[in-house]
Amino acid sequence: KQEVTQIPAALSVPEGENLVLNCSFTDSAIYNLQWFRQDPGKGLTSLLLIQSSQREQTSGRLNASLDKSSGRSTLYIAASQPGDSATYLCAVDTGNQFYFGTGTSLTVIP
Amino acid sequence: NAGVTQTPKFRILKIGQSMTLQCTQDMNHNYMYWYRQDPGMGLKLIYYSVGAGITDKGEVPNGYNVSRSTTEDFPLRLELAAPSQTSVYFCASSYVIWQEGYFGAGTRLSVL
Repeated sequence: KQEVTQIPAALSVPEGENLVLNCSFTDSAIYNLQWFRQDPGKGLTSLLLIQSSQREQTSGRLNASLDKSSGRSTLYIAASQPGDSATYLCAVDTGNQFYFGTGTSLTVIP
Repeated sequence: NAGVTQTPKFRILKIGQSMTLQCTQDMNHNYMYWYRQDPGMGLKLIYYSVGAGITDKGEVPNGYNVSRSTTEDFPLRLELAAPSQTSVYFCASSYVIWQEGYFGAGTRLSVL
């Protein structure tokens, strides 16, 4: 069974700092990996999708990388802003189900 | 506004009661999903559907039932509610299965 872990569980950084969120998964047989953002009391918003054949994806200040063989993905956020404060979840597609990590709660301090 | 709509937003149930969580999407997506999120945990898949009339179990289906009579609607039924079903429930839909889903705002359910 696929297990998805995110470290750290919580992170506080001052505004403007670059930061990295980590996601690891136990079974490398995945179709894709996605990063989501969850704001308090709201649903999830898809940020980036990396197919298993890709190494990274970029969207604005966000860059996600994928190392399938080692079971790891990172989400890099450049020049963080208070509006980036949210919980970030990664999820892997095994072909017949989606497995979510437990999330990293990010606080960007003005 | 286009998207996924869930009702109700909050509900308190007594043990043994039943209820239906409603989910509607207006994007004509074939794929729809129900997840539950417990405090400090990731989302776990309850049921999913690949089209009208077709549903399948996810990781944690016990205690729940679903139906998909139309493309737009995917209700989740709780029979004989138990405290272990206290959670936040999210409905989602997507154009491609498992990819870039659109999520509803969630239903916060407490079973007391």
